[in-house]
Parts: sequence; C-alpha cells; structure tokens
Amino acid sequence: LAKTTQPISMDSYEGQEVNITCSHNNIATNDYITWYQQFPSQGPRFIIQGYKTKVTNEVASLFIPADRKSSTLSLPRVSLSDTAVYYCLVGDMQNYGQNFVFGPGTRLSVLP
Amino acid sequence: DAGVTQSPTHLIKTRGQQVTLRCSPKSGHDTVSWYQQALGQGPQFIFQYYEEEERQRGNFPDRFSGHQFPNYSSELNVNALLLGDSALYLCASRFTSGSPHEQFFGPGTRLTVL
Repeated sequence: LAKTTQPISMDSYEGQEVNITCSHNNIATNDYITWYQQFPSQGPRFIIQGYKTKVTNEVASLFIPADRKSSTLSLPRVSLSDTAVYYCLVGDMQNYGQNFVFGPGTRLSVLP
Repeated sequence: DAGVTQSPTHLIKTRGQQVTLRCSPKSGHDTVSWYQQALGQGPQFIFQYYEEEERQRGNFPDRFSGHQFPNYSSELNVNALLLGDSALYLCASRFTSGSPHEQFFGPGTRLTVL
C-alpha cells in the first residue's frame, strides 16, 4: 500500500489560495490520487482525483509532478466554510476498498 | 434525491453487548462499504458489499460482520463490544460501474461503548 504523508494542520485567511501537499513516495503504477474533504460530524466528500499532471474542477486543482511521488491540492480563494479536514488517498482503482487507506489528514483552519 | 442515510445517529452500549447499524445507499448505488473512524483519525475500511456478498475486507476481527439486502441496503453488526469500538461508523455507497473513488458517504452513526 502506498502510504501518504500530509501536514497535520494548516491555517489560512479568507480569500487566500491554500496549497496542501501530500507525499506518496512508493506510489504504484496503477495508483490514482484522490482527495476528500470532511466536516465535523459528516462523512468525507470527494473533491478531486488525478493520475498525472494537472486536474481542475469547479472546487479545486490537483497538481501531480512527473515522478508522481507527491501531489498538491490547491483551493483558490478559501472561505470560512472551507475549514475542514482534507485527506489524500492513493490507491488502485480495481482494489480500492482494501487499498483505500485514510491517513490522519490535514486540518485546515480558515480565519477571517 | 436522498443521499446515503444511516440509522441510528447515536448509540450507547456497554461492553460485551451487540449492536446493529443500518445504511441505505444513494439511489442507484449497488455497492456499500463500511468504515470506522476513531476520534481524530481518518476512516478505516471495514468491508464492502456487492450483490449481497462481502467482496473485500479490511483488517478487522470477525466480531465485525455485515449483510446486504436485495434492495442494496446494508447492516453492520458488531458482537462482544469493546471500549475501543467507540467510534463514528460511516457507510459509503457507489455504483459498481462508476468511478470507485466517487463514493458517497453518509453522516455516520456515533457509537459509544461504556
């Protein structure tokens, strides 16, 4: 299983861009990188997924370098409602259940 | 369209008791997974059900068992409860032919074992 390492916590201010980096040095060829967001007392919510280069959706961007040993989730112009825990996961699309390992995540606090 | 629903929302049990948690998947979803989330930790995969069978299992003892019904709803059973079983139990569903990473989570059941 590809283990991931993320900062435990981050602080930001409203309107700033936030970048959360995840390290996954032993990522396998078939592994995809997925980010989830979790608010208190709620289940995680899918944000974005990618394999290589850059992926962008209406919520975030995901940057993956050529060696794929790390990835960066970018949240543009955060607001107070973006305060949450963000999880980086790496796993095989075919065996995602067993390999779907959530780490402790990054606790993002957005300040006014 | 209702998302994933779970019941009950909160539950208090004592050591040694048994508990059953319930999950109704999002409409159109046929695969259900269960996760345990301890306070301050990420969710840990327990098992996944598809076509009424357990397809994958995480590193959890046999005290944890489940079931999926023909309407795709699911139950999680935990026997001989331990204090360490206190956690938020999350159910997630997806359509088996869809992207496996776009699973939808329910709000969870908070289990407290005294």
